[in-house]
Amino acid sequence: GNSVTQMEGPVTLSEEAFLTINCTYTATGYPSLFWYVQYPGEGLQLLLKATKADDKGSNKGFEATYRKETTSFHLEKGSVQVSDSAVYFCALDYNQGGKLIFGQGTELSVKP
Amino acid sequence: DTAVSQTPKYLVTQMGNDKSIKCEQNLGHDTMYWYKQDSKKFLKIMFSYNNKELIINETVPNRFSPKSPDKAHLNLHINSLELGDSAVYFCASSGTGQAVPDTQYFGPGTRLTVL
Repeated sequence: GNSVTQMEGPVTLSEEAFLTINCTYTATGYPSLFWYVQYPGEGLQLLLKATKADDKGSNKGFEATYRKETTSFHLEKGSVQVSDSAVYFCALDYNQGGKLIFGQGTELSVKP
Repeated sequence: DTAVSQTPKYLVTQMGNDKSIKCEQNLGHDTMYWYKQDSKKFLKIMFSYNNKELIINETVPNRFSPKSPDKAHLNLHINSLELGDSAVYFCASSGTGQAVPDTQYFGPGTRLTVL
């Protein structure tokens, strides 16, 4: 079936460090891919998305490239801030019908 | 301006009780969803409605019954609450037909604790 796997957290980084959160997926066809972020005590917010192979989504310094050959959508940021501390979710929508399938979430903690 | 709002934010109740969670969106969206987030932060879709019609119904016990009085509202009623229902429930909405795929906008969540 369709699924999303993320690297386990928590991930703890110092401010200005480079961030990578790995995400791989299994899906039939050509899903759309998303990264959502959940700040403490809040709902999820869309961070970025990509709808076809080789698309790069970007927002707030975060980037992810849709790699069909490796079925991956890794999240990266060159220099993290304390305010980036949150839980990050990778997700796919495989039939454009709105049924998002989420990974298990990766908690990021950035220390000053 | 709250886009997707849920009430209550916290709900503590006893096993066996019946409770409802309400959701409203003011984005003019056609589709609304309920998700359940467990204690390990895992998120799973439960239901979605499009223009008051049920379109996604995952394997959810029939103690859970969504109701959509209009396309701006999607309420979740839970009968005979069990300990395992304790979770955070998120409402979301999407769909003006202007983007594919449509971005889902999430509410702040309702933390349900069953004692």
